[in-house]
Amino acid sequence: GNSVTQMEGPVTLSEEAFLTINCTYTATGYPSLFWYVQYPGEGLQLLLKATKADDKGSNKGFEATYRKETTSFHLEKGSVQVSDSAVYFCALSFYNQGGKLIFGQGTELSVKP
Amino acid sequence: GAGVSQSPSNKVTEKGKDVELRCDPISGHTALYWYRQSLGQGLEFLIYFQGNSAPDKSGLPSDRFSAERTGGSVSTLTIQRTQQEDSAVYLCASRIRGTSGTEDTQYFGPGTRLTVL
Repeated sequence: GNSVTQMEGPVTLSEEAFLTINCTYTATGYPSLFWYVQYPGEGLQLLLKATKADDKGSNKGFEATYRKETTSFHLEKGSVQVSDSAVYFCALSFYNQGGKLIFGQGTELSVKP
Repeated sequence: GAGVSQSPSNKVTEKGKDVELRCDPISGHTALYWYRQSLGQGLEFLIYFQGNSAPDKSGLPSDRFSAERTGGSVSTLTIQRTQQEDSAVYLCASRIRGTSGTEDTQYFGPGTRLTVL
């Protein structure tokens, strides 16, 4: 079946450090890929998405590129801030399957000043 | 405009009782989803509505779980004879069903935290 695997957390970084959170997927076909973020005490919100191979999603300084060859969608940010501390979820969906999201297990990021 | 709302925000119940969780999607959104977030299982899909029909119920964990949607709007998730393993945060999301084939964003509600004692 379809699934998403993320690097395990928690990840602790110093402010201004470079961030990578790995995400790989297993799917039959070519899904749309997403990163969702959950800030402390808040609901899930979409961070960025890519709907086809080689697309790059970006938002708030975060980027991820849809790599069909390696079935990956790694999240990167060049310089993290304390306010980026949150739980990050990678997810996939197929429009022709109703668009339900299949999530990875989440990666908790803590950024220290 | 208003986002997705859910009620109650917290629910504590005793094992064996029935509970109802409510979701009000964004106005005009025809697609509605229920998910469950728990420590052991992460974020899991439960059920998907398109309008009032549920073409995908594959994520419901047992026949104690059911959901309905009326008027293409409000949805209720019902858990009968609750068990301790049902304790989780239940999330609702809605989406405009696009016609172009591209993915539209799912907007999530704040969730209902269910605790079964």
